[in-house]
Amino acid sequence: AQSVTQLDSQVPVFEEAPVELRCNYSSSVSVYLFWYVQYPNQGLQLLLKYLSGSTLVESINGFEAEFNKSQTSFHLRKPSVHISDTAEYFCAVSAGNAGNMLTFGGGTRLMVKP
Amino acid sequence: DTEVTQTPKHLVMGMTNKKSLKCEQHMGHRAMYWYKQKAKKPPELMFVYSYEKLSINESVPSRFSPECPNSSLLNLHLHALQPEDSALYLCASSQQPGSKNEQYFGPGTRLTVT
Repeated sequence: AQSVTQLDSQVPVFEEAPVELRCNYSSSVSVYLFWYVQYPNQGLQLLLKYLSGSTLVESINGFEAEFNKSQTSFHLRKPSVHISDTAEYFCAVSAGNAGNMLTFGGGTRLMVKP
Repeated sequence: DTEVTQTPKHLVMGMTNKKSLKCEQHMGHRAMYWYKQKAKKPPELMFVYSYEKLSINESVPSRFSPECPNSSLLNLHLHALQPEDSALYLCASSQQPGSKNEQYFGPGTRLTVT
């Protein structure tokens, strides 16, 4: 079975500052990794994913995440945040032998302050 | 069209009522999912349909009854719910069953049981 830990439940940050949201996973088999974002009163939107290949993946709105197999991490970063980035961010893992099971971390609330 | 739609957006029902939630996608996806999300928590998987057949039931109480009439539609029939069933119910779909496939989420139905 796999599990996901998001170490910070809340991350307050000022606008235009850099941010890192941490995600660690555990699994005995190969994994696929995802970051989803949930804005207030909305569903989840896929931000980026790692399936294979380059360990650095980027989204269209400036976020990036790096898969680190040795540290079993998939941290999300953005060099300069905007007020509109305020949302709940979920890291999720799907293991190669887990069929359709997507395991979510507890979520990190990113709060961008002016 | 990369959209998953859900109706209704909000639903208030009594404990003796029978109601249904509806989910629709026209992306040709062959896997569909129901999740339950309580406030400030990650989504919890309830059911998975693969090629219109129920493939995963995460020990959900029988007062929740899923139905997949065709490859584009997914229903969740509700009967004799409890107040603790109040939550955001999210539908998702993926191109194929399997752990590599990203899931697309709908906006959810906010359910309140009185």
